[in-house]
Amino acid sequence: GENVEQHPSTLSVQEGDSAVIKCTYSDSASNYFPWYKQELGKRPQLIIDIRSNVGEKKDQRIAVTLNKTAKHFSLHITETQPEDSAVYFCAARPSGYSTLTFGKGTMLLVSP
Amino acid sequence: DAGITQSPRYKITETGRQVTLMCHQTWSHSYMFWYRQDLGHGLRLIYYSAAADITDKGEVPDGYVVSRSKTENFPLTLESATRSQTSVYFCASSESPSGGPEGYTFGSGTRLTVV
Repeated sequence: GENVEQHPSTLSVQEGDSAVIKCTYSDSASNYFPWYKQELGKRPQLIIDIRSNVGEKKDQRIAVTLNKTAKHFSLHITETQPEDSAVYFCAARPSGYSTLTFGKGTMLLVSP
Repeated sequence: DAGITQSPRYKITETGRQVTLMCHQTWSHSYMFWYRQDLGHGLRLIYYSAAADITDKGEVPDGYVVSRSKTENFPLTLESATRSQTSVYFCASSESPSGGPEGYTFGSGTRLTVV
């Protein structure tokens, strides 16, 4: 089955800096890659996603890039703010009509 | 998000006891999922269901039982709880197996402690 590796497991940045979280996947046929954000004590929520026919997608301060050849995708957060502090999960959907496989998560801490 | 509710929010049970975690959604989503969240392991799929009376195993199904007699309910039962099942359990629903435009809708979670 699909295997998703996520790095780093923790990331500390200063407010205003950029943050990058990287994920690799094993199934070259995977075609959908969402990112979820989970604030402390809250439920995970989808923040952005990308499909395999697109190389980059942006939504205000967040962007996701996909490199199908290398089988990795990344979440980029610019001008980080304290409210960006959360655990971020990447995920991949193997080919076909299947469920998501999640990475282990990255705890992002943005210090004022 | 009142569309999916889990109960109880917190539960302490003893080793060997049976415990059932409840999940109810009002979205009429076809798909429902049970995940456990553990530090260092992220979100791991226990079971999922594509429709009433259709369930399938996920990554870590051992020790768990599910049923889905009605579309809106998807209870998770630990038949004989073990300490390794201490975790935070999330129920989720979606219109597709990988999430529709809004992604998976997660419940608020149940924190289960097995002593």
